Amino acid sequence: GQQVMQIPQYQHVQEGEDFTTYCNSSTTLSNIQWYKQRPGGHPVFLIQLVKSGEVKKQKRLTFQFGEAKKNSSLHITATQTTDVGTYFCAGLEDGNKLVFGAGTILRVKS
Amino acid sequence: GAVVSQHPSWVICKSGTSVKIECRSLDFQATTMFWYRQFPKQSLMLMATSNEGSKATYEQGVEKDKFLINHASLTLSTLTVTSAHPEDSSFYICSAEGVTYTDTQYFGPGTRLTVL
Repeated sequence: GQQVMQIPQYQHVQEGEDFTTYCNSSTTLSNIQWYKQRPGGHPVFLIQLVKSGEVKKQKRLTFQFGEAKKNSSLHITATQTTDVGTYFCAGLEDGNKLVFGAGTILRVKS
Repeated sequence: GAVVSQHPSWVICKSGTSVKIECRSLDFQATTMFWYRQFPKQSLMLMATSNEGSKATYEQGVEKDKFLINHASLTLSTLTVTSAHPEDSSFYICSAEGVTYTDTQYFGPGTRLTVL
């Protein structure tokens, strides 16, 4: 079945440093979605990427979808303490089943 | 828009009892609802997919007689953990996908189940 690998598992950065998490799918995806889960909270939808090579920005967050639609990345510029949480990618194959990556836990030192 | 509620937010029960968790889409009709389980510091594991008016589709390894899912209306799905045991203790999260919000799942706040 489809697998979505996400790295790193954990990253601890100094406030102001950049952060990137990467996702790789074993199969071609219809789209890829990114979610953020704060400690003790539930996943909150951030964005969806559909097109090959797509790049989307949300303020300090930049999301990319690979040309082959099998990998994606989330990059945060100049992290802030409010960015802490776990970032999950989730790949959608044909149909409506989302497969989540393991998540990357981000901690930010002020 | 796209608000999903879940009730209860937490529950503690004795081993052997059954627990029902409700998932509601508050401002949209959810054609499909999903139930996930999340262990501490781990990812979300899809348990089952339910479509309104039909039987749920369970993922491999999930006992359908243990985790009963009912999707009686376009705004409500329930998960009943039958004869709960301590190993069923977990964070259960539902999500909903609707006609308007296709391909995007909106998550409920989750239910933390502790079985003593």
